[in-house]
Amino acid sequence: DGGITQSPKYLFRKEGQNVTLSCEQNLNHDAMYWYRQDPGQGLRLIYYSQIVNDFQKGDIAEGYSVSREKKESFPLTVTSAQKNPTAFYLCASSIVRGRSTDTQYFGPGTRLTVL
Amino acid sequence: GQQLNQSPQSMFIQEGEDVSMNCTSSSIFNTWLWYKQDPGEGPVLLIALYKAGELTSNGRLTAQFGITRKDSFLNISASIPSDVGIYFCAGTNYGGATNKLIFGTGTLLAVQP
Repeated sequence: DGGITQSPKYLFRKEGQNVTLSCEQNLNHDAMYWYRQDPGQGLRLIYYSQIVNDFQKGDIAEGYSVSREKKESFPLTVTSAQKNPTAFYLCASSIVRGRSTDTQYFGPGTRLTVL
Repeated sequence: GQQLNQSPQSMFIQEGEDVSMNCTSSSIFNTWLWYKQDPGEGPVLLIALYKAGELTSNGRLTAQFGITRKDSFLNISASIPSDVGIYFCAGTNYGGATNKLIFGTGTLLAVQP
């Protein structure tokens, strides 16, 4: 079955700890994305990557870091510098045609709660 | 970052009723997308629109790409309980230097059997 997997579904961490969220896709998509979702708000882009070993900051990158060492994997680290990390985190992927990215498909999400 | 204006924010309807929601932008897009998100899950793509004035259907769902390229509409006919969820619009400009998706704030739909 092709798709995007995110793990774990629920994650609890103590304040001040870094935490890494996993995102894996077997769709052979070139581009991958991380979004944050808060209640009553739309999705906000944290980081995105169109090719292995390259990634770009989105609208709210402060306090987050990513890596893209493999095409199928795009882990997100929520660092202790992120002031309000409790949120629902969504990973997405898409194909790339030339300079353009096509429709994005989303994973099931990880709900992070910082205590 | 920019977010699109989506209305209404929420709707509470009876099963069988039709639903309409819309999304407006201050800037032009060449692509509009509509997603549905079930509680605690990731958004699922419903309809993609690529041309101004385009009207596209997916079962009981119909979406339109506004002629001004600054808005889009989604209609759901004869709603059923499984239509419950949050509906998001998203706009982008494929083919540009940066073609990130810009999302609306969502419309929460509740359907009473």
